[in-house]
Parts: sequence; structure tokens; C-alpha cells
Amino acid sequence: DQQVKQNSPSLSVQEGRISILNCDYTNSMFDYFLWYKKYPAEGPTFLISISSIKDKNEDGRFTVFLNKSAKHLSLHIVPSQPGDSAVYFCAASARGSNYKLTFGKGTLLTVNP
Amino acid sequence: GAVVSQHPSWVICKSGTSVKIECRSLDFQATTMFWYRQFPKQSLMLMATSNEGSKATYEQGVEKDKFLINHASLTLSTLTVTSAHPEDSSFYICSLREGRETQYFGPGTRLLVL
Repeated sequence: DQQVKQNSPSLSVQEGRISILNCDYTNSMFDYFLWYKKYPAEGPTFLISISSIKDKNEDGRFTVFLNKSAKHLSLHIVPSQPGDSAVYFCAASARGSNYKLTFGKGTLLTVNP
Repeated sequence: GAVVSQHPSWVICKSGTSVKIECRSLDFQATTMFWYRQFPKQSLMLMATSNEGSKATYEQGVEKDKFLINHASLTLSTLTVTSAHPEDSSFYICSLREGRETQYFGPGTRLLVL
């Protein structure tokens, strides 16, 4: 039972354009969401997070949007850079879950020069 | 964010041997650390929550006698894979929680059991 779903295994964009990574969830108890970036054979690097009391959070080139009614969140990267090429994981946690994170399967983003 | 190290970064061992992986918090006192496992092209799967000074909490389907976790100090948690078999070959990653929700991850340990 996949509670966090990233339905696109891969995404390819041109340098300078916008990258939009999507994530859906099924557990209505999730109230905190995070995006991580991961290179092969390395641990994930925290990018940005959002609480369920917000619908948008922005940090530099990264913006996360949350649509609670649709149980959907997205990560926007603009402008995209070749160094952004990596696997991006969406993660969620539920209040009272002892801070456990549930991860999606990840989306491989390739930014072409 | 918090800085987390893991040692070793990779290990190759024979089937039946035990392997210990260390996870250290370099700049933060972590009462709680987490151990994950990632198989190729799969998501990170939480194995257990490591609590300083007490027993770890294991996720369903994870054998506590096979994956021994010790969290003896606020900066060190260890995962020992006992009697490792080829199916235990994976990428093991630890993390610690800073603040309410955000977890910071170590660089991971690649285990290959022959």
C-alpha cells in the first residue's frame, strides 16, 4: 500500500526552464511534507518542506505547493540547472507517528544543457 | 542542517558474517535516529527508529534479531547486520531528526554480501 506516490519515474527538461515534480498521497493524517534530492550512492539532501497549514513555501529557486483537498503536492524548480539532475523524493509524516517519514519512489530529473 | 556521517561507506563481506555500520551526528545531540534501507530503483524504507538509551522500535517485517541497533550515546547509533546473506545486500542510510519533522541523512553505506 503506497501512501506516497510519485507517478513519474523520470522527467527531462531544458536548462533554464521550469521543472515540476509531482507527488500524491493517500493518508489524510499526513500533515508535514518534505522534498529530498539524492545522487547515486549518497544520502538524501533536504531541500524544502511544507506544513499542512500552508499551501505554498518558497526557498530560492525551489517552491513547494500543497493542495490538501486533492492530496497533491508539487515541487517547482525555476530556472532549472544541470546540477539539479538527481532523483527527487517526496516524503510525508503524520502527527503522532513518532516523526516517521514515508517516502515516494522518487523521480529522476535530468536537466539538459 | 545537522551533519551526519556513516562508516564504512561500503563493505563487502562473505555470507554468514556480521557487519556493523556506524552513524554519527557530528554537530547535534540526537535522541532519535532512524535507519533506512534502499534497494535499487526503490524508495527508502524505514527499518527502525533508534532511541538513545532504550530499545529500538522496528518496522513491521524487519527482524530485530537480525538487524541489531544500539544507540548508546546522543551522537552514535550502530546497526549490525548479523549472519548476513546476499539478500541483505542493499544501501543502508541513517538519519536524525532536527526540530519537529526534518530529517537529515548520512551519506549511506553500500553493503554487498557474497
